[in-house]
Amino acid sequence: GAVVSQHPSWVICKSGTSVKIECRSLDFQATTMFWYRQFPKQSLMLMATSNEGSKATYEQGVEKDKFLINHASLTLSTLTVTSAHPEDSSFYICSARISGRATYEQYFGPGTRLTVT
Amino acid sequence: SQKIEQNSEALNIQEGKTATLTCNYTNYSPAYLQWYRQDPGRGPVFLLLIRENEKEKRKERLKVTFDTTLKQSLFHITASQPADSATYLCAFQSRAGNMLTFGGGTRLMVKP
Repeated sequence: GAVVSQHPSWVICKSGTSVKIECRSLDFQATTMFWYRQFPKQSLMLMATSNEGSKATYEQGVEKDKFLINHASLTLSTLTVTSAHPEDSSFYICSARISGRATYEQYFGPGTRLTVT
Repeated sequence: SQKIEQNSEALNIQEGKTATLTCNYTNYSPAYLQWYRQDPGRGPVFLLLIRENEKEKRKERLKVTFDTTLKQSLFHITASQPADSATYLCAFQSRAGNMLTFGGGTRLMVKP
């Protein structure tokens, strides 16, 4: 149980275009989802917390107009990288918490490798 | 500032031995401490969660300890196997928030 999927698993796009990444909880409801980015040989950096039906909360230094997050249902959150540039190339990972559970473990998706040329 | 430190150097051990990974923190009072496994090019996989009022938690070959006096958590894998080779991340969560703060991870290599 507690499976999270991401789509696409990898994407290559040209500089200036926008890319949408989907994060789905397959067998549970997730009121809260999280988006991270990870550079090679580095740890995960939280970008934003996504709450179903409300605006995302962004971490300091993350441009909310560049990284658009929509959490329209209890099983789907999307991250759109707008006007992508080569420096946005990274590994993007989402995670989800099971709604209503008292503990706080997060279940991660397999990640999306974004390459901007 | 808050800091979570894991040994950045890889830990190499022989199959069958016990692997012990360390996670230290400063200027922080986590309510929950979690350990995750991450394989290259994949998302982390949740392994264990331990609360601040718990000293030890076990799951099969895994054991986690949490010492709030030393501000340290130890993660043990007994009877290690080559399949245990991966990067292991510790993560902290405060009482107030949802978010996790991750350490840099330690890469474990188990040699047959």
